[in-house]
Amino acid sequence: NAGVMQNPRHLVRRRGQEARLRCSPMKGHSHVYWYRQLPEEGLKFMVYLQKENIIDESGMPKERFSAEFPKEGPSILRIQQVVRGDSAAYFCASSPGTLNADTQYFGPGTRLTVL
Amino acid sequence: AQKVTQAQTEISVVEKEDVTLDCVYETRDTTYYLFWYKQPPSGELVFLIRRNSFDEQNEISGRYSWNFQKSTSSFNFTITASQVVDSAVYFCALRVFSGGYNKLIFGAGTRLAVHP
Repeated sequence: NAGVMQNPRHLVRRRGQEARLRCSPMKGHSHVYWYRQLPEEGLKFMVYLQKENIIDESGMPKERFSAEFPKEGPSILRIQQVVRGDSAAYFCASSPGTLNADTQYFGPGTRLTVL
Repeated sequence: AQKVTQAQTEISVVEKEDVTLDCVYETRDTTYYLFWYKQPPSGELVFLIRRNSFDEQNEISGRYSWNFQKSTSSFNFTITASQVVDSAVYFCALRVFSGGYNKLIFGAGTRLAVHP
């Protein structure tokens, strides 16, 4: 039973380019969460999605960032016109539902470096 | 306000010492969950434990034990007889049912270095 998968594991972009981060949840999980970890800091919630729906994007910057979780395929976190401050580790987590009892399981993260 | 505080930024111990990592949380919710995650040098996040707010029983798993004290809003983590492989950043997290949706609120983490 594969865990949460994220790719790429490492991504290097120049300022102004676009970054696309992918997340495939665990089998049977239909809820996906994205978190960002800046260097030497804890993880900060960005966005919560269910299939084809964004449920809560309160932690995501209003500009340049977008997320989707299509009916088929992985969830995508897209960052347009990246800046140096976007350099961070981006973690995806999945859970089977929204019950309080549900644990979020994390992927290995994508480390984005903006040159 | 919902908040998790891990006051210890870094801890350094020698192998076989016991070490306790502190976690203090704030929430107005009466129902909530607390978690500990381990982030080894390789960078992934490893789930260690989940505790709900109604269960104040302490838990032991091998060399790991957790002390949940609702009266002081603390959920401390103790590693007994530490080993070099325990070196990692440890995160305490709070899950609140804010707005009807789960989200995890993380502390800043405690970096544990275990030296041989």
